[in-house]
Amino acid sequence: AQKITQTQPGMFVQEKEAVTLDCTYDTSDPSYGLFWYKQPSSGEMIFLIYQGSYDQQNATEGRYSLNFQKARKSANLVISASQLGDSAMYFCAMREGGDGGFKTIFGAGTRLFVKA
Amino acid sequence: DTEVTQTPKHLVMGMTNKKSLKCEQHMGHRAMYWYKQKAKKPPELMFVYSYEKLSINESVPSRFSPECPNSSLLNLHLHALQPEDSALYLCASSPASRSQETQYFGPGTRLLVL
Repeated sequence: AQKITQTQPGMFVQEKEAVTLDCTYDTSDPSYGLFWYKQPSSGEMIFLIYQGSYDQQNATEGRYSLNFQKARKSANLVISASQLGDSAMYFCAMREGGDGGFKTIFGAGTRLFVKA
Repeated sequence: DTEVTQTPKHLVMGMTNKKSLKCEQHMGHRAMYWYKQKAKKPPELMFVYSYEKLSINESVPSRFSPECPNSSLLNLHLHALQPEDSALYLCASSPASRSQETQYFGPGTRLLVL
């Protein structure tokens, strides 16, 4: 069963507008971490933002915020004021505690295109 | 400093060659990882080292041989690869294995097997 689901293969956004990238997850472990990574065409995976399962508030990092809805098991990434340099592949990922702690499970990714 | 370095950036090798990929981090992280990523796909975990010991091998073929000489270095030795092994190979590190700790990735090595 897929543990991380990203339903948007591709998204377009106008420069300077906000965009939401969807991510849902599935786990029975009460302790887990959720991550978003950006991967430009150069290939490097760039860490953007982290949300812990016990965190009460949504994580924010500059223009990135994570809309964490625990009951719905969703962890959507919101990028505000999109820039041309935001065009990239975005991966949602999860790390579970316990025996699964070493493994990061990635979603299929969403390709974001920012239009000038 | 959250930098993970990888060498080489690009590698072309024949199916009979032996080559090595190198990864280095100086963040004091005790967990290091190798991932394989095919085009338009998410990374797939290959190996995990924790405190310089191999803790996870995701049923990777023996033509890939990892090595962790010390806490800062991670190698991936390649021998008798197949064309389908052509991919981006990513190294990552994290402080340890706890779920709330992010992994930091290197820029990757693009491997082409002819």
